[in-house]
Amino acid sequence: GAVVSQHPSWVICKSGTSVKIECRSLDFQATTMFWYRQFPKQSLMLMATSNEGSKATYEQGVEKDKFLINHASLTLSTLTVTSAHPEDSSFYICSARDNGEPSYEQYFGPGTRLTVT
Amino acid sequence: AQSVTQLDSQVPVFEEAPVELRCNYSSSVSVYLFWYVQYPNQGLQLLLKYLSGSTLVKGINGFEAEFNKSQTSFHLRKPSVHISDTAEYFCAVTLLTGGGNKLTFGTGTQLKVEL
Repeated sequence: GAVVSQHPSWVICKSGTSVKIECRSLDFQATTMFWYRQFPKQSLMLMATSNEGSKATYEQGVEKDKFLINHASLTLSTLTVTSAHPEDSSFYICSARDNGEPSYEQYFGPGTRLTVT
Repeated sequence: AQSVTQLDSQVPVFEEAPVELRCNYSSSVSVYLFWYVQYPNQGLQLLLKYLSGSTLVKGINGFEAEFNKSQTSFHLRKPSVHISDTAEYFCAVTLLTGGGNKLTFGTGTQLKVEL
């Protein structure tokens, strides 16, 4: 149980275009999901907390107009990187909190590698 | 605010040797502690966690960690490593109360197991 998927697993896009990344909880409901960004050889940095049915909460320094988050159902959150530029190239990982488990439990997706050319 | 320090960015070790990956944290309030493993181009997998009770916690793949409150440490150990343990290991904390259950990660330790 407690499987989180991400789609796509990797994507290459041209500078100036937008890219949408999906995060799904496959066998549980998740009111809360988290989006992280990881640069090569570095740690995970929390970008935002995604809450079903309400606006996402962004961490300091994260551009909310650039990284659009939508959490329209209890099993799906999406991250859209708008007008992507090469500096947005990174590994994006989501995690989800199972509504039926203690709030400190998070289950991580396999990540999405974004390359902007 | 809480923080996590992993002093060793890389740890090379021979197969079947023991290993310890160090983690220290800083927080003004009580925390839960976690160790995650990340294989190349993959997400994170939970190895073990400390919530309360016994300070020695056992996890998957033969790993264990000991919580030391006085030293604010949560070092990860394995008595005998295998080639397949080669991966990146992250220590993380979350506040017991407040903080929205957000995880704060250390910078990671690359464990490289050699023959």
